[in-house]
Amino acid sequence: AAGVIQSPRHLIKEKRETATLKCYPIPRHDTVYWYQQGPGQDPQFLISFYEKMQSDKGSIPDRFSAQQFSDYHSELNMSSLELGDSALYFCASSSTDTRETQYFGPGTRLLVL
Amino acid sequence: KNQVEQSPQSLIILEGKNCTLQCNYTVSPFSNLRWYKQDTGRGPVSLTIMTFSENTKSNGRYTATLDADTKQSSLHITASQLSDSASYICVVRPTSGTYKYIFGTGTRLKVLA
Repeated sequence: AAGVIQSPRHLIKEKRETATLKCYPIPRHDTVYWYQQGPGQDPQFLISFYEKMQSDKGSIPDRFSAQQFSDYHSELNMSSLELGDSALYFCASSSTDTRETQYFGPGTRLLVL
Repeated sequence: KNQVEQSPQSLIILEGKNCTLQCNYTVSPFSNLRWYKQDTGRGPVSLTIMTFSENTKSNGRYTATLDADTKQSSLHITASQLSDSASYICVVRPTSGTYKYIFGTGTRLKVLA
């Protein structure tokens, strides 16, 4: 079965650069979630989109923005990167048919130097 | 104080043995409680999801229970396998508030041959 696809899987950036992470949800899933997981920490919810509209907002910094496109894929844009942004970024998708069970992607590991 | 706390922090058991992981939460009211399995460096995988009115939910060798009165949930793993070695995370979704998904501290399980 198709799973959530994230790209790139690994990314290295320098401070103050920008980065764009992409997420392709499972087909027919209408909701996408973004999480940030620092080393040895719990995943922190950043933001979610339902039917291309922002549905919930968590601890997403103002330097980050995200959107969901007409084909339901989502992009997380990160600007003015800081060393503390180094983390594993997970995308998850769900559909109302699956009782909101979130299916996680493999994650994008971002390293800011 | 974390609103979702898990115990033990880590656990080592022999292959074939059973074990029970605990999740205590203060989030109230909540919409649902989920258990996830997360392999190192990979995205969490959903095991069970229970609404506040459900007492138990099974998924193969995994059985989750929920006691809404004592605000406790447990995940019981039967006949453990080496592949069960992972972190197990309890996630509570409150019915209101900014943070829509509150992750527990996780239990790191190691199954030895």
